[in-house]
Amino acid sequence: DAGITQSPRYKITETGRQVTLMCHQTWSHSYMFWYRQDLGHGLRLIYYSAAADITDKGEVPDGYVVSRSKTENFPLTLESATRSQTSVYFCASSDKRLTDTQYFGPGTRLTVL
Amino acid sequence: GENVEQHPSTLSVQEGDSAVIKCTYSDSASNYFPWYKQELGKGPQLIIDIRSNVGEKKDQRIAVTLNKTAKHFSLHITETQPEDSAVYFCAVHSGYALNFGKGTSLLVTP
Repeated sequence: DAGITQSPRYKITETGRQVTLMCHQTWSHSYMFWYRQDLGHGLRLIYYSAAADITDKGEVPDGYVVSRSKTENFPLTLESATRSQTSVYFCASSDKRLTDTQYFGPGTRLTVL
Repeated sequence: GENVEQHPSTLSVQEGDSAVIKCTYSDSASNYFPWYKQELGKGPQLIIDIRSNVGEKKDQRIAVTLNKTAKHFSLHITETQPEDSAVYFCAVHSGYALNFGKGTSLLVTP
């Protein structure tokens, strides 16, 4: 039972490059989420998706793009990475409702030089 | 979005003592209040949650209390153990999202 996985676990890139972080869940959960975690800010929602082909902005969406062509995958793309996007990124999923338990992946630590 | 204040930011207790973490929120329509535990290098994991129609919920050594009138809720850990050391986050469901507190780093010393 793989649950929710993220790849890569660590990534170093340079300013201006495009980076895609992958998220995959095996539960067929309807909802998927992307958060970033920074010291002093806790977890902040970037984007979320209620189902395949349905996505919406969270608290801090600028500079990020998401897609969800399949229920199990929810990639997050930084179109032109900036140093302020250095962070730990967590993907999460929940079953049928926003108030169902959110299960988090192990995270991707991204460094933008 | 919803404003969630969490206190304290750090907490150190001796093994066997109790630990209490408090959160306040602003949106009176909020109806779901989970608590997450995050160990070093891992993603947050739900440890207990409470909904607005309940005032208290317990699960072994962990309990959560909710005061909707005052708009605050608390996590109580009794008989703390070294493996309870972690960062704890409260969250509040409001509208489409969970809004998280900034976390409490709990250290349990033997």
